[in-house]
Amino acid sequence: GAGVSQSPRYKVAKRGQDVALRCDPISGHVSLFWYQQALGQGPEFLTYFQNEAQLDKSGLPSDRFFAERPEGSVSTLKIQRTQQEDSAVYLCASSLGPRIYEQYFGPGTRLTVT
Amino acid sequence: DAKTTQPNSMESNEEEPVHLPCNHSTISGTDYIHWYRQLPSQGPEYVIHGLTSNVNNRMASLAIAEDRKSSTLILHRATLRDAAVYYCIEANNDMRFGAGTRLTVKP
Repeated sequence: GAGVSQSPRYKVAKRGQDVALRCDPISGHVSLFWYQQALGQGPEFLTYFQNEAQLDKSGLPSDRFFAERPEGSVSTLKIQRTQQEDSAVYLCASSLGPRIYEQYFGPGTRLTVT
Repeated sequence: DAKTTQPNSMESNEEEPVHLPCNHSTISGTDYIHWYRQLPSQGPEYVIHGLTSNVNNRMASLAIAEDRKSSTLILHRATLRDAAVYYCIEANNDMRFGAGTRLTVKP
């Protein structure tokens, strides 16, 4: 069956531009997570949705980061006025149940800010 | 911040067993131990999880110490495709990844 998909796979943005990263979770999965992974490090939690409700956004590094999941399926992570330190791989994961259930990850979007 | 401690890297020979250790000395009674792995240029992949008892699945075995302060992921016969970063995670309300152990498998 279809796994988690993310688009675009690669994004190059000039400093100061806004970007939008899309995540299509596995159909029927209640929970959706966004992570940021810098080179050589493990994924860092950004935010968590249960259906359309954003239950935890404690990992978002600044108010330039915004995530939404308006209909409880597809999610978008938006970064406004990108900075060089935003360069990373952004991973999306979904799971059937609450947040400590087995998570299925997408391939990630590699964002490079120049 | 991650609540587990793992070696930065380990090496194994192909077709030999691999034991990947993890310390989680502050674990509470309701925290699960999850293991994920991340192959190059891919998102992490679930491997196994457990609470108190040892667990087996088609990918690996998880041996949990009696005091639950440490655990070991066992790959019974390493293959070249098992080369990845392995993450041990103490999961209660959420899952926080650390830096993991980079496993190199030599032919």
